[in-house]
Amino acid sequence: GQQLNQSPQSMFIQEGEDVSMNCTSSSIFNTWLWYKQDPGEGPVLLIALYKAGELTSNGRLTAQFGITRKDSFLNISASIPSDVGIYFCAVSYNNNDMRFGAGTRLTVKP
Amino acid sequence: EAQVTQNPRYLITVTGKKLTVTCSQNMNHEYMSWYRQDPGLGLRQIYYSMNVEVTDKGDVPEGYKVSRKEKRNFPLILESPSPNQTSLYFCASSWGNTGELFFGEGSRLTVL
Repeated sequence: GQQLNQSPQSMFIQEGEDVSMNCTSSSIFNTWLWYKQDPGEGPVLLIALYKAGELTSNGRLTAQFGITRKDSFLNISASIPSDVGIYFCAVSYNNNDMRFGAGTRLTVKP
Repeated sequence: EAQVTQNPRYLITVTGKKLTVTCSQNMNHEYMSWYRQDPGLGLRQIYYSMNVEVTDKGDVPEGYKVSRKEKRNFPLILESPSPNQTSLYFCASSWGNTGELFFGEGSRLTVL
């Protein structure tokens, strides 16, 4: 299947720092999505991107759909302890199938 | 409250003993899907369904079956579970195939 390369695999940061993670693929996609999974729960959608070059914000979160349609990044500004969790990028593949990255595990030290 | 409900949340079973994980959504979503989550591999799609009586294989369908007899329910069936199916399973639903999924809380399955 199509491969999504998500990096970094894990991050340990201090509260208040900014965070950046990204996802790349060798294939073109029309939709990029970012999800967050809190410990012991199911993933929750953070941001959905539908247009190449699109830059979308959701509070302290900002995500961009790469202009080549092969990548996306997610930034978190001024991190807080509740930002802890696993962040997944995802693409809608072939309009039916979904592919997820392996995830970025974020730890925030108070 | 809009939700996706999975049962059981935790299950320990033995190799070969058939089991079913139920999934129900109350949002009238057409699209439903099942994923398994394993360390370092992220979420991998097992099966999905675009609507009642329409199901398709995802990335890792081997060893699993599904059915979609009603819009709200999408059970995952393991006819003869094996230890390599030990995993955390998630059901999800959405309007159409936008990719904007609502996930259940997960079902942790251990096959001995």
